[in-house]
Amino acid sequence: AQSVAQPEDQVNVAEGNPLTVKCTYSVSGNPYLFWYVQYPNRGLQFLLKYITGDNLVKGSYGFEAEFNKSQTSFHLKKPSALVSDSALYFCAVRHSSYKLIFGSGTRLLVRP
Amino acid sequence: NAGVTQTPKFRVLKTGQSMTLLCAQDMNHEYMYWYRQDPGMGLRLIHYSVGEGTTAKGEVPDGYNVSRLKKQNFLLGLESAAPSQTSVYFCASSYSTPRTQYFGPGTRLTVL
Repeated sequence: AQSVAQPEDQVNVAEGNPLTVKCTYSVSGNPYLFWYVQYPNRGLQFLLKYITGDNLVKGSYGFEAEFNKSQTSFHLKKPSALVSDSALYFCAVRHSSYKLIFGSGTRLLVRP
Repeated sequence: NAGVTQTPKFRVLKTGQSMTLLCAQDMNHEYMYWYRQDPGMGLRLIHYSVGEGTTAKGEVPDGYNVSRLKKQNFLLGLESAAPSQTSVYFCASSYSTPRTQYFGPGTRLTVL
């Protein structure tokens, strides 16, 4: 069965430092992977996706994610964190032709 | 272009009452989804639709019904609300798979 795991409930980082939010997946077949961000009292916003091609995917707001097939991971990264990046981040994997399965979410807190 | 809109934004129900949540999208998307978001559990799919006149069950369909009479609208109904249905409900739509899902702003429902 397709599944995705986000092992950290919260990630704390100082502004200006690099950040990583972790995601691991389990799929049969080729993985289609997504990252979404949720700001307080808002819906989810798409950040980036991996379908095929380069293992390093670039997305919105300076975020990127690295697909690692051998480690079944799709970690979200940013070279220099901003306080405004503080939000809830969700990793998702395609479950079937129509559905996504979401991880439990990781709260990112960037301190000034 | 409003994207995905949801009404109402907030609602308080008493146990046993019924209500309908409306989702509308103006992007001509074929696929529409209803999720619920609960703390520590990420998003769970309630029902989804792959086109006008079609609906299907997701992970947690019990206690909910849906209808997709028009392509742009996807309704979620609670016939007899229960406190366990207290949650934030998100609607999403996508053009096709595995493309991005676009989310509405959410409806916060409290069942007393």
